[in-house]
Amino acid sequence: AQSVTQLGSHVSVSEGALVLLRCNYSSSVPPYLFWYVQYPNQGLQLLLKYTSAATLVKGINGFEAEFKKSETSFHLTKPSAHMSDAAEYFCAVSDLDAGGTSYGKLTFGQGTILTVHP
Amino acid sequence: GAVVSQHPSRVICKSGTSVKIECRSLDFQATTMFWYRQFPKKSLMLMATSNEGSKATYEQGVEKDKFLINHASLTLSTLTVTSAHPEDSSFYICSASGVLETQYFGPGTRLLVL
Repeated sequence: AQSVTQLGSHVSVSEGALVLLRCNYSSSVPPYLFWYVQYPNQGLQLLLKYTSAATLVKGINGFEAEFKKSETSFHLTKPSAHMSDAAEYFCAVSDLDAGGTSYGKLTFGQGTILTVHP
Repeated sequence: GAVVSQHPSRVICKSGTSVKIECRSLDFQATTMFWYRQFPKKSLMLMATSNEGSKATYEQGVEKDKFLINHASLTLSTLTVTSAHPEDSSFYICSASGVLETQYFGPGTRLLVL
């Protein structure tokens, strides 16, 4: 079974600073990978996804993530944090079978709460 | 595009009653819908997966007689919490996916059982 580990349950940055949220996965077959953001008392919004095309994926709100198979990582970055980026971020993996078909189910990491200071 | 709605957004009920939560895909046909539960300060826990016209597949440890899921059409799935108890109080989130497989999430329903 696949698992997702997000290093750091809390990350704090200053406004304008680099945002780096870490995600590592374990899967026998390179999976589909996702980053979602959740604002308080709301559902999840898709930031970006990797589905075996380009390894550097650009998402909404200036976020991007790079799939590194050798490191089994999919870290989320943003060059300059904004106050509105404060939220909880979830990394998720959708496992694939040997033929590359997604099982559809997502396994989520524990989440990382991002705080942005003025 | 890819908007998923949930209704109600918040519900308070008495212990022993049943509560129905609706999940709708507004601008696409959802071949698969998922129901999650999220505890405070915790990640999402998948409860069940439902495909239109089929019985839902429940995750291990989820009581299917307590959490009834119906996926009657390509745009609507419902979760009914039967004989709700205070320990069922939680944030319930649905998601929907179409042919492109990306899951799009609803805004969630906060259930409080008194």
